Amino acid sequence: GDSVTQTEGLVTLTEGLPVMLNCTYQTIYSNPFLFWYVHYLNESPRLLLKSSTDNKRTEHQGFHATLHKSSSSFHLQKSSAQLSDSALYYCALSEGSGGSNAKLTFGKGTKLSVKS
Amino acid sequence: AQTIHQWPVAEIKAVGSPLSLGCTIKGKSSPNLYWYWQATGGTLQQLFYSITVGQVESVVQLNLSASRPKDDQFILSTEKLLLSHSGFYLCAWSRPGGYEQYFGPGTRLTVL
Repeated sequence: GDSVTQTEGLVTLTEGLPVMLNCTYQTIYSNPFLFWYVHYLNESPRLLLKSSTDNKRTEHQGFHATLHKSSSSFHLQKSSAQLSDSALYYCALSEGSGGSNAKLTFGKGTKLSVKS
Repeated sequence: AQTIHQWPVAEIKAVGSPLSLGCTIKGKSSPNLYWYWQATGGTLQQLFYSITVGQVESVVQLNLSASRPKDDQFILSTEKLLLSHSGFYLCAWSRPGGYEQYFGPGTRLTVL
């Protein structure tokens, strides 16, 4: 089945430093959708980025990611971390067939903690 | 605007007792609905999905069941809780055929 592997555990950064959270995936489908969801404490997980286009950078709220099908990767990056970026980040994959069930396969999540 | 509610916010239950968790979507007709579960320290796992009233498909077997009695309501239940049922339960919705899912606030379940 599908699987998603993320940078595990806790990533602690000092404010202003760059953010890079790794995500690689395995799937039999040739056109998967990849997503980054962000889960702030006491809120619902919400979509941060999504992509199904190979080698195209997608950006939102200062974060960006590029889907590379050749390496099955969709790493999340930001040039300068802010205190408000502290949250749990999930990488997720959908088979992309547009079927009735948009099944999402999630990674284990990476907790990002930004310190001043 | 669409809103998604889950109830209860948190629940502490005894092993062997019944459970019912609810989810309601307002402002969107005929959404796809999903139940997810996250064990402490684990990843989010999709449990069930439903594309229409009365139809529910199981994705992962956890001795839980789900029902969709109304277009905007999704219920997760079991007659006998296990310790392993503890965790965080999330309801989500998407547009039919859509890839983006929108999550509710979740219910934290502790089974003792």
